[in-house]
Amino acid sequence: AQTVTQSQPEMSVQEAETVTLSCTYDTSESDYYLFWYKQPPSRQMILVIRQEAYKQQNATENRFSVNFQKAAKSFSLKISDSQLGDAAMYFCAYRSEYNNNDMRFGAGTRLTVKP
Amino acid sequence: DAGVTQSPTHLIKTRGQQVTLRCSPKSGHDTVSWYQQALGQGPQFIFQYYEEEERQRGNFPDRFSGHQFPNYSSELNVNALLLGDSALYLCASSRRTSANTGELFFGEGSRLTVL
Repeated sequence: AQTVTQSQPEMSVQEAETVTLSCTYDTSESDYYLFWYKQPPSRQMILVIRQEAYKQQNATENRFSVNFQKAAKSFSLKISDSQLGDAAMYFCAYRSEYNNNDMRFGAGTRLTVKP
Repeated sequence: DAGVTQSPTHLIKTRGQQVTLRCSPKSGHDTVSWYQQALGQGPQFIFQYYEEEERQRGNFPDRFSGHQFPNYSSELNVNALLLGDSALYLCASSRRTSANTGELFFGEGSRLTVL
């Protein structure tokens, strides 16, 4: 079964600085999707960035980028120029290309942004 | 464009009672998944509905059941409530087509407290 591990329960960053959140996963499949979701206190999970496993190029969305290392099964999220609004819980998630009925989530990383 | 909507937002029940949570998927989506998010943890997959049938189920007992209606909306029912059922219940929708990007769109959740 696929598992997702986030080893950093909490992270802190100074406003305007850069922070990297770590995620590793375990799978025997070759085709899958990886996601980073943000969950602010409002509770709604919001997609931050998505990576298809077949793509070698790392995904980028404005200030958010990933470092996808398929062989190492690592999928870290880098937030540049951190803003106060980035403070939230961040969840790494895995979804199979073949059996995409469920999405597996890590335990989350709570990001604090200091002014 | 209406996103995923869930009701109620908060509710309190006592042990042994039954609860029904409701979800309307994002416009154009035909698949609904339910997740349980305990405090301080990542979401756990309960089940997924497509074409009014349960397609896959996570590791949850039969006390958890669901339904999908012809308009794609869905209900989650939990019988014989236990204290451990206290959690945020998230509904997520997606579109089961070849254009599926794997992404799930989430509602704001229903916060269930069992006393």
